[in-house]
Amino acid sequence: DAGVTQSPTHLIKTRGQQVTLRCSPKSGHDTVSWYQQALGQGPQFIFQYYEEEERQRGNFPDRFSGHQFPNYSSELNVNALLLGDSALYLCASNLIMGGNSPLHFGNGTRLTVT
Amino acid sequence: GDSVTQMEGPVTLSEEAFLTINCTYTATGYPSLFWYVQYPGEGLQLLLKATKADDKGSNKGFEATYRKETTSFHLEKGSVQVSDSAVYFCALSDLQAGTALIFGKGTTLSVSS
Repeated sequence: DAGVTQSPTHLIKTRGQQVTLRCSPKSGHDTVSWYQQALGQGPQFIFQYYEEEERQRGNFPDRFSGHQFPNYSSELNVNALLLGDSALYLCASNLIMGGNSPLHFGNGTRLTVT
Repeated sequence: GDSVTQMEGPVTLSEEAFLTINCTYTATGYPSLFWYVQYPGEGLQLLLKATKADDKGSNKGFEATYRKETTSFHLEKGSVQVSDSAVYFCALSDLQAGTALIFGKGTTLSVSS
């Protein structure tokens, strides 16, 4: 049973560029959430997708956008990259139906903006 | 808003020592509480959880009790191993409302043999 998978594992981009990160949820899960983890900090919630719609959003600017596909996989897009966007981006999945199961996390994508 | 406060690290212990990592929370509703662990180079793994007051979560020798009166969820283990070296995160969420996890800043544990 595959867990949450993310790609790529590492990425280096230049300030001002755009980036797309990808996530496949754990089998049987229908909801995907994205978190940003800066170095030495706890993860911070970016947004959550369910039924292909953004359901909740944290305190992140519109430069951060996402998408969920019919197979429940998801993308995180960040436009106009800033140096401060350098972080580990974590995808997490769970099952909303039946009481909202705990999150399962992927290993993350390490984004470096130079 | 809701928040989680963890003790500052790093915590350095010898193998077989007793571990406590303190966690307190502030919440307006009735959150579920979690401990996640992050090993080097990996994502977060759920270690244990508790969904209501006085519940005790336990896993792999780790325990934490949901204390509503002190708004705390301290993590304990009676005898740590070198393999327990990792970063530990306390978190809360209102599962029924489907709210996002709110994490503490994490506590690094280093265990030496």
